[in-house]
Amino acid sequence: EIVLTQSPGTLSLSPGERATLSCRASQSVNGNYLAWYQQKRGQAPRLLLYGASSRAAGIPDRFSGSGSGTDFTLTISRLEPEDFAVYYCQQYGTSVLVAFGQGTRVEIK
Amino acid sequence: QVHLVESGGGVVQPGRSLRVSCAASGFTFSSYDMHWVRQAPGKGLEWVAVISIDGNIKLYADSVKGRFTISRDNSKNTLYLQMNSLRAEDTAVYYCARDITVGVPDYFDCWGQGTLVTVSS
Repeated sequence: EIVLTQSPGTLSLSPGERATLSCRASQSVNGNYLAWYQQKRGQAPRLLLYGASSRAAGIPDRFSGSGSGTDFTLTISRLEPEDFAVYYCQQYGTSVLVAFGQGTRVEIK
Repeated sequence: QVHLVESGGGVVQPGRSLRVSCAASGFTFSSYDMHWVRQAPGKGLEWVAVISIDGNIKLYADSVKGRFTISRDNSKNTLYLQMNSLRAEDTAVYYCARDITVGVPDYFDCWGQGTLVTVSS
């Protein structure tokens, strides 16, 4: 079973700043099958990225992803007010069941 | 427009049963694996179960195995989660989510708004 650990737990930043979120897997993620979701308060999660770095439809290019193997990063180049939310990573595409990270909250400093 | 709408949540006593539903529209429901994901109050996302397009393959998280049953009715474009022997720790918002494809679980490109299940005496 792959365990995903996200860090930091909370990121306090100002609008316009760069956000760097980490997702570390307990074992290598095959094919870079890693997705990122954004969840705003009271809303359902929304798919941001898949395949570690491919943006989902309609996602602004200030969101980018990188990484491979066990270490993955979500970067928000310049935070907009609507980007303050909780972000989750998820591994997929293996025979094991679905796993999510515990989430990183991006809050306004 | 792809749309998933959950219903059936509510307050239920420990040990009792509840069934939640997810009505799908805007896409060919029978062509996608479907999942249930839950989120306890103030907590993260927890995957619950997946069902294949024809309903023949069902997989569950260990935390619900033997108590929950996922099913689907492709003629009604509806996904179900039958929850038996409910516990306080099952209290959560339950989301249905569409898998991007079929086969091995992938990522989810569409989520419902969720339905709250509260297990309390």
